[in-house]
Formats: sequence, structure tokens, C-alpha cells
Amino acid sequence: AQSVTQLGSHVSVSEGALVLLRCNYSSSVPPYLFWYVQYPNQGLQLLLKYTSAATLVKGINGFEAEFKKSETSFHLTKPSAHMSDAAEYFCALSIYSSASKIIFGSGTRLSIRP
Amino acid sequence: DAGITQSPRHKVTETGTPVTLRCHQTENHRYMYWYRQDPGHGLRLIHYSYGVKDTDKGEVSDGYSVSRSKTEDFLLTLESATSSQTSVYFCAISGNQGSGELFFGEGSRLTVL
Repeated sequence: AQSVTQLGSHVSVSEGALVLLRCNYSSSVPPYLFWYVQYPNQGLQLLLKYTSAATLVKGINGFEAEFKKSETSFHLTKPSAHMSDAAEYFCALSIYSSASKIIFGSGTRLSIRP
Repeated sequence: DAGITQSPRHKVTETGTPVTLRCHQTENHRYMYWYRQDPGHGLRLIHYSYGVKDTDKGEVSDGYSVSRSKTEDFLLTLESATSSQTSVYFCAISGNQGSGELFFGEGSRLTVL
């Protein structure tokens, strides 16, 4: 069975500090991996995706994530946090390229301190 | 932005009443999904559709049914609403190219009293 685990339901960082949101996965076959962001009272939108090409994936708003097969991880980072980054972030896994099913982690709420 | 419209956006109903949520897309995408979002659970798949009249269950399908009679519309029905179905419901669509990414609607907040 496939699963996604996000470590830390809430992360707080200072403006300008490094953002690190952790995601570990379990999958019996090579997965596609995604990070989504959800701003208050909105739906989710895609930040970035890994689909077995480059292991370091760059997304929107300065975010990037690195696929590490040996660690079964897909952590999300941003070098310098901005107040507008405050949101909830979801890691997700798909095992079919046609997206017949996508499994989401429980989410990490990111707060930014002035 | 992907053309996805959910209706109603907010609804309050009483236990035992039927409720139908509608998702309408203008992208002509093959795959459509209904998720529910609850604190601490992330998003959980209720049902999905891979074509007109082709649907399948997700991990939390009990108490829900779906129908897709047209490519653009995917309906989620709660036959007899219960308080445990109080949640935010999201519709999502996926492109035909098999990119594996979802486009989400803005959500429907349902409160069952």
C-alpha cells in the first residue's frame, strides 16, 4: 500500500529564514510526487511535481524539493521565507501517470513570524 | 486558472436530509474527483470518475454516491446527511495527458446539524 507522511502539522519560521517542510512516502512502485499549497478559503494549487526526471524539482514562488529514493523523502524547501508563504502545504503521491488516484498527506501549516 | 465551479459554496442542512453538491468544469478533462478535507486528515478521496458514467470508490465512500452523465458535470450526493459528513468538499480535475496533477475547485463547506 502507498502512503504519505508529513512530519509536523505546524511549522513556524521567521521572515527571511529557511523553510523546510518534510514529507516521507511509502510505495511499492516508483511514485510521482507532488507538493500543493492551500491559502485560506481556497482550493489547493500545485507547487511542484516529481515525475522521474530530475531529482531536484523547482516550483513556483521560489520553492523546490528533492526526491531521495534512499530516504523515501521529498522535502520542500525555500531559502528565504516571505510573509505571503503562510499557508497549508500538502505532499501527495500518485502511482499511476493517469492520476486515477492521488494520496495526500495530512498537511503542514506554515506560519511566518515578522 | 482551470475552469472549475462548485455549487453551492456553503450549505447548512439537518441530519437525514439529502444533499447534492455539483462540480462543473469547462476544461473537458477526463478525470474528476471528490475529496473531503477535515483537520488532521488532509484530503481523503470519496469517489472519482474516469469518464462519462464511469466512476469508482475512494477510501471514504460510505454514505456518498456520485453521478457523471456529462463530461463537464460530476455530482456528489449524500442520500441522508449525518453530522460526521460536516466537512469541506473539494472537486478536482485532471488533464487527459496523464500529467498526474490536479486542479481544484474552491470548495463547498457543508454543515450538518
